[in-house]
Amino acid sequence: SQTIHQWPATLVQPVGSPLSLECTVEGTSNPNLYWYRQAAGRGLQLLFYSVGIGQISSEVPQNLSASRPQDRQFILSSKKLLLSDSGFYLCAWNPRRSPEAFFGQGTRLTVV
Amino acid sequence: AQKITQTQPGMFVQEKEAVTLDCTYDTSDPSYGLFWYKQPSSGEMIFLIYQGSYDQQNATEGRYSLNFQKARKSANLVISASQLGDSAMYFCAMREGPHQAGTALIFGKGTTLSVSS
Repeated sequence: SQTIHQWPATLVQPVGSPLSLECTVEGTSNPNLYWYRQAAGRGLQLLFYSVGIGQISSEVPQNLSASRPQDRQFILSSKKLLLSDSGFYLCAWNPRRSPEAFFGQGTRLTVV
Repeated sequence: AQKITQTQPGMFVQEKEAVTLDCTYDTSDPSYGLFWYKQPSSGEMIFLIYQGSYDQQNATEGRYSLNFQKARKSANLVISASQLGDSAMYFCAMREGPHQAGTALIFGKGTTLSVSS
């Protein structure tokens, strides 16, 4: 069966520090992968999506970047965090043959 | 313009009653998909139900059904026989174009559902 792993679950980082959030999918190949951010009590904002290794599309210009070094690995990064980067980050994937997207458990990031 | 609109910030329902959560969408693409997700306080996003734009019948999954009115561009979620465990935030989402193309889901702002005993 397919599963998605996202870590860490919570993170507290100082302003100006780097960030690396990792997401991996098991049990499938060539998935579409996504990073979303959710501000407190708000909807989900798409940050990045990828349809293949090394292929990244950015939806919102910001302080973050994404990479897909392997087929089932998606990484969200920042060189220097801002206070406004605080939020709940969710990784998601969908198989090519079906429409629904499945989400990881999320990472709650607090920048202090 | 908003692609997905959920006009109800909060809804309240008694246990065992049915509740409808509203969702309207905006797209000019003839091929699209509509989704509902549940987000409990733990934060995980749980897929509930899917409706394709070419599907003739309304989607149903257990106690969930999607009232798809294409001409009105609405995709309301109906939860029958509400349970206390249904208390959560509910998000409507849309994908434009075929899902193989990799386009992402666009989400509404959500509706908080509270079920009381």
